[in-house]
Amino acid sequence: DAGVTQSPTHLIKTRGQHVTLRCSPISGHKSVSWYQQVLGQGPQFIFQYYEKEERGRGNFPDRFSARQFPNYSSELNVNALLLGDSALYLCASSLEPDRGDWGNTIYFGEGSWLTVV
Amino acid sequence: TQLLEQSPQFLSIQEGENLTVYCNSSSVFSSLQWYRQEPGEGPVLLVTVVTGGEVKKLKRLTFQFGDARKDSSLHITAAQPGDTGLYLCAGSNAGKSTFGDGTTLTVKP
Repeated sequence: DAGVTQSPTHLIKTRGQHVTLRCSPISGHKSVSWYQQVLGQGPQFIFQYYEKEERGRGNFPDRFSARQFPNYSSELNVNALLLGDSALYLCASSLEPDRGDWGNTIYFGEGSWLTVV
Repeated sequence: TQLLEQSPQFLSIQEGENLTVYCNSSSVFSSLQWYRQEPGEGPVLLVTVVTGGEVKKLKRLTFQFGDARKDSSLHITAAQPGDTGLYLCAGSNAGKSTFGDGTTLTVKP
């Protein structure tokens, strides 16, 4: 079975531009989350979507937005890019977000490396 | 705000040594995960622990979830160079996972 797949794997953007990152969850998983990981830190939660609805949002500005499609894939959009947005953007999928057991374990993709110059 | 603190931040040991890394929080989590991440790659799940006091073993790795479900430890026996990497713990509640900043482990041959 395929794991979580993300695209593109690497990209370089200029300040002020926008970017769209894409994610396909593990087959059967209905929840997708997005995380930002800067060098030397653990992943920071950006968004969670479940059944196409936003279930959670981290402390990120409105320049960050996301959506989930009927096939449970997801896009993360970032507008007006800043140098500080340079990071590894991770997508993760899980079965059901509210289960109090292993069902809420998240499985990560390889990430999209974004460099803003 | 739920915070996870991992210690030590960096650990460098010789092949064959044992080590323990810690993950502590003031918050209770419904489950806790340990991940290993290599440079340029996404985190790879090692284990999920759910029950307070639970101990899970994965070959040379032993994971323990604290009785109060606020903390966890990872013990590696007879470390090998292939164990080198960033070890992340993450606590989960209501679908949101909160990560620590990880322990960077280097095992020298």
